Amino acid sequence: EIVLTQSPGTLSLSPGERATLSCRASQSVSSTYLAWYRQKPGQAPRLLMYGAYTRATGIPARFSGGGSGTDFTLTISRLDPEDFAVYFCHHYGRSSRTFGQGTKLEMK
Amino acid sequence: QVQLVQSGAIMKKPGASVNISCRASGYPFTMFVISWVRQGPGQGLEWMGWISTSTGYTDYAHNLQGRVTMTTDTSTNTAYMEVRSLTSDDTAVYYCARTHGVGDFDFWGQGTLVTVSS
Repeated sequence: EIVLTQSPGTLSLSPGERATLSCRASQSVSSTYLAWYRQKPGQAPRLLMYGAYTRATGIPARFSGGGSGTDFTLTISRLDPEDFAVYFCHHYGRSSRTFGQGTKLEMK
Repeated sequence: QVQLVQSGAIMKKPGASVNISCRASGYPFTMFVISWVRQGPGQGLEWMGWISTSTGYTDYAHNLQGRVTMTTDTSTNTAYMEVRSLTSDDTAVYYCARTHGVGDFDFWGQGTLVTVSS
């Protein structure tokens, strides 16, 4: 099973700043099968990116995905107050479907 | 608009079974797989399995095989998941999610809290 490790565990930033979240896979994965979600307290996760680089419907352009192989990133260019939440990466390969443990993005 | 509406919170005793429903609307039900994901208290997300709404084919997470059954009723556009032999470790919020493209989850239900306690 592929293990996804996210870093940092917690990221403290201010609105307007740039955030970069990391997701490292235990073995190389296809970018086709890598997604990111945002989860606000008490809510279901929301799809942000799929196929590593494609924004989901309604997701603003300040979100971008990068990386390949074992290392992927989610970048938020200018943080909006609604962006302070927990972020999960997700691999959905044929034989392994796992989530990272999450990165909490908190307001400084 | 696409909506997935789940059944309400429920409490069960250890050893019991629980059945959760997920009613879909706003899209052709049989065109998309439904997946189930759970989240323990303060924990991350755990994929539980998925069901093809057109064929009924299922794929369950290895650690849950034998304890979980996923079904659908295409006449009511509803997916169901049963979890048997509950323990306190099964206390979690359970989500259904529409599976988009090759496997990401583009729409989620609101979640169903299952509490297992004696």
